[in-house]
Parts: sequence; structure tokens; C-alpha cells
Amino acid sequence: DIQLTQSPSSLSASVGDRVTITCRASQAVNHYLAWFQQKPGKAPKSLIYGASTLQSGVPSRFSGSGSGTDFTLTISSLQPEDFATYYCQQYRSFPYTFGQGTNLEFK
Amino acid sequence: QVQLQELGPRLVKPSETLSLTCAVSGGSINSDYWTWVRQPPGKGLEWIGYVFYRGITTYNPSVESRVTISVDMSKTQFSLKLASVTAADTALYFCARVREQPGGHAVFDSWGQGILVTVSA
Repeated sequence: DIQLTQSPSSLSASVGDRVTITCRASQAVNHYLAWFQQKPGKAPKSLIYGASTLQSGVPSRFSGSGSGTDFTLTISSLQPEDFATYYCQQYRSFPYTFGQGTNLEFK
Repeated sequence: QVQLQELGPRLVKPSETLSLTCAVSGGSINSDYWTWVRQPPGKGLEWIGYVFYRGITTYNPSVESRVTISVDMSKTQFSLKLASVTAADTALYFCARVREQPGGHAVFDSWGQGILVTVSA
């Protein structure tokens, strides 16, 4: 299985901050990497696929980059509704796997 | 806008079979892939497997010996059966649609709200 390691595991930030979350894969996944946002008790929401393609309806303050084994999710200016847990996911090979999550908290 | 809803018992006894259905509305089920993902309380996400509308399945090896995912196009729903459950199968179970985008991208774009299933005697 391809292991995905996110860093940091938790992050405290303020409204307006620029935030970057990293996802590292145990082997190359090309650009078959997605990012999800999940709020407590809710389903994950697709933000980005193909490492950098924004899902329809997702605000442009979210962006993704990377290829191979190293990827980043950036939120350019945090809004109150962005405080949540973020997961990366690879779909390069089966089984599809997720990172352990990054909990973005209000400072 | 397609909507998905998980249905089924919220309490299952150890060694029995967990059975869930995902009802799909607002869209067709005779395309795309249809998947199950679970999340133990306080933990991360685990992909269980998916079914292509034509009935072809792919499962996570972690549960492959116990799991069956099937689709019923006449009822626009798909289902999950997980046999011989233990407390480790206690989780929030989500169903979702996986839409293939150009370039081979498997996008988990629509999700149900999730259903918490507890395995306990």
C-alpha cells in the first residue's frame, strides 16, 4: 500500500493567515493526488484533484501543487469556515489511501 | 445534483454481517463508480472498495475476504456487506460517487452524510 504522511498533524492559525499543509507519499503517485476538507460529524468535501485542479465551487484561496511524492495544499488567506481537518488521498494505485489528516485549529 | 444517503442498522453484533445501502437520487447510477469509505471514531479515513455500475468491483485487501459491494440499478442504490464484524469495524460509514475525470482522475465528488455503525453485543 502507498502510505501518505501529512505534516503537520495539527496547526493553529488565525483568520487571514496563509497556511500550507504537506503530504508525502511512500512511492510516486504522479499527480493522482486529491485533497479533502472534513468538518466534525460531516462527510469529507472534495477540494482538489490531480494535485492542483480545483473542484468546481471551491474558493480560489485554495490551491494545490506537487507531483511524484511531495505535495502541498495552500490556503492563501484563512477564512472562519476553513477551520477543519484536511486529508490527502492517492488514487494512483489500489488500495486508495488517505493521509492521517491535519487538524487546522483557530489560534 | 446527485444526493446519496446511507441506510441500515446502526448496531450490529460481533461475528454478524454489517449491511448498508446507499440510496442515490437526483442522478443516474448507470455510470461512474460507487464507493464506501469508513472512519473509526476519532480516526482517519479508510477506503473500503468500489463497484463500477456494470458490477465490476475492487476492494481494499484489508477487508477483501469479508466484503461485498454491489449495485442495483433498478433501485438506484448500491450496498455494502461486511461479514464477521468485530469491534474494530465500528465506524462512520460513508458512501460516495467516484467520477472519472479526463486524465484518469478518480474524483470522490459526492458523499452521503455518513452512518455510525457500532459493533457490540
